Amino acid sequence: GESVGLHLPTLSVQEGDNSIINCAYSNSASDYFIWYKQESGKGPQFIIDIRSNMDKRQGQRVTVLLNKTVKHLSLQIAATQPGDSAVYFCAEDNYGQNFVFGPGTRLSVLP
Amino acid sequence: DTAVSQTPKYLVTQMGNDKSIKCEQNLGHDTMYWYKQDSKKFLKIMFSYNNKELIINETVPNRFSPKSPDKAHLNLHINSLELGDSAVYFCASSPGTSGYEQYFGPGTRLTVT
Repeated sequence: GESVGLHLPTLSVQEGDNSIINCAYSNSASDYFIWYKQESGKGPQFIIDIRSNMDKRQGQRVTVLLNKTVKHLSLQIAATQPGDSAVYFCAEDNYGQNFVFGPGTRLSVLP
Repeated sequence: DTAVSQTPKYLVTQMGNDKSIKCEQNLGHDTMYWYKQDSKKFLKIMFSYNNKELIINETVPNRFSPKSPDKAHLNLHINSLELGDSAVYFCASSPGTSGYEQYFGPGTRLTVT
């Protein structure tokens, strides 16, 4: 089936630095994109979303960028904190016909 | 006041057995989902239901049968369990079928021995 993103990579960042997590999606027809955070032993938790008619959306310490030309999504976390350590997933929604999650990126925050 | 709850949290069983996982949401959402997460953390949708009707049925062995008695519940029954069924199964819900974030349950870790 379709896949979103790369094999699970690990990103290590120093506490206080900014983090950028990237994701490549495969379906140009997808209209809604979501970033989820999954902490150990828990279910994925919504962080931020963006619709296909936008290219940038900001939340509290997080920003999502969407580049439809190259089918690329990124999550920026400002001033990364130890509590940000988790696996981050991008997901694409093709008008409710299909939901595809990327394989995830493990973020490790170093003290 | 758990929004999406699943039972059991852990399930250890032998090959060939039949087991069920239950899911309930108290968010008033119309749409519910089942996902499977493998040992490499890859999340794949299995089913989605909207108002008790099956919407998405991915390529899943027919040993897996979802049942939605009402829109607040979506249970997953698995027949003739196989070693490859070992995974974490997540239930989720959302207000509608498209364009909404999904709220995930805590997961059920199924181990087939």
